Amino acid sequence: SQKIEQNSEALNIQEGKTATLTCNYTNYSPAYLQWYRQDPGRGPVFLLLIRENEKEKRKERLKVTFDTTLKQSLFHITASQPADSATYLCARHFGNEKLTFGTGTRLTIIP
Amino acid sequence: DTGVSQDPRHKITKRGQNVTFRCDPISEHNRLYWYRQTLGQGPEFLTYFQNEAQLEKSRLLSDRFSAERPKGSFSTLEIQRTEQGDSAMYLCASSRRMRDITDRETQYFGPGTRLLVL
Repeated sequence: SQKIEQNSEALNIQEGKTATLTCNYTNYSPAYLQWYRQDPGRGPVFLLLIRENEKEKRKERLKVTFDTTLKQSLFHITASQPADSATYLCARHFGNEKLTFGTGTRLTIIP
Repeated sequence: DTGVSQDPRHKITKRGQNVTFRCDPISEHNRLYWYRQTLGQGPEFLTYFQNEAQLEKSRLLSDRFSAERPKGSFSTLEIQRTEQGDSAMYLCASSRRMRDITDRETQYFGPGTRLLVL
C-alpha cells in the first residue's frame, strides 16, 4: 500500500526563522504531492501542489521541493510568524482520485 | 460562492442512532469526496463521486455507511446504528476539471462535521 509519513509530530520554531517540514512516501512516486494547512476544528486549506517532474514550487514565503530519489518532499516557511502556527498536512495522489494524507506536523512559531 | 459548506457543524448522538450529514460543494465542481479524520491523524478517504456516480469506496466505509449525490450537486452521508468508534470529524471536499492542472487537482475542503457518539 502507498504510505505517506510526516516525521515530526510537532515542531517549535523561533519567529523569523525558517520552518522546514518533511514528508516521505513509500513505493512508487505519486504524480502529485500537495500541502495543506489545518487550524484546530477547521477543514484543511490548500497551500501548494508540486508535480513529480518539478523540483521546486514557491508561493510567497512558502517553498516546496520534491525529490523522487529520496522519496521526499520538504515544505519551507521563511520568515515565520506566529500566525503560521497550525498543523501542516502532506498528501499524495495520482490524478483524479482520493488524497492519501500523512498524520500532519503541528507547527508552533514562538514569538 | 463562498466555498464548500457542511451541515451540521456538530452532532452528538447516542450509540445505535442514525445520523445524516450534508455537504454542498463549490458550484460546478463535479467531483465530491468524503473523508474522516480522528484526533492526531490526517484525513482518511471514505468515498468519491463524479457528478452523481459513486466511483470509489474505501474499505473504511462499512455497510452502516451510505453516501449519495442524487443530482450531482449536494451529497449526504448517512451512518446507521452509530458506534462510539464512529466519533470523528467528517470532511467533505470538492474539485473541478479545469485546464490549469493545479486547480484541477486541488481539493477544496469544507469546515467538517464533528460527530460524537455517546
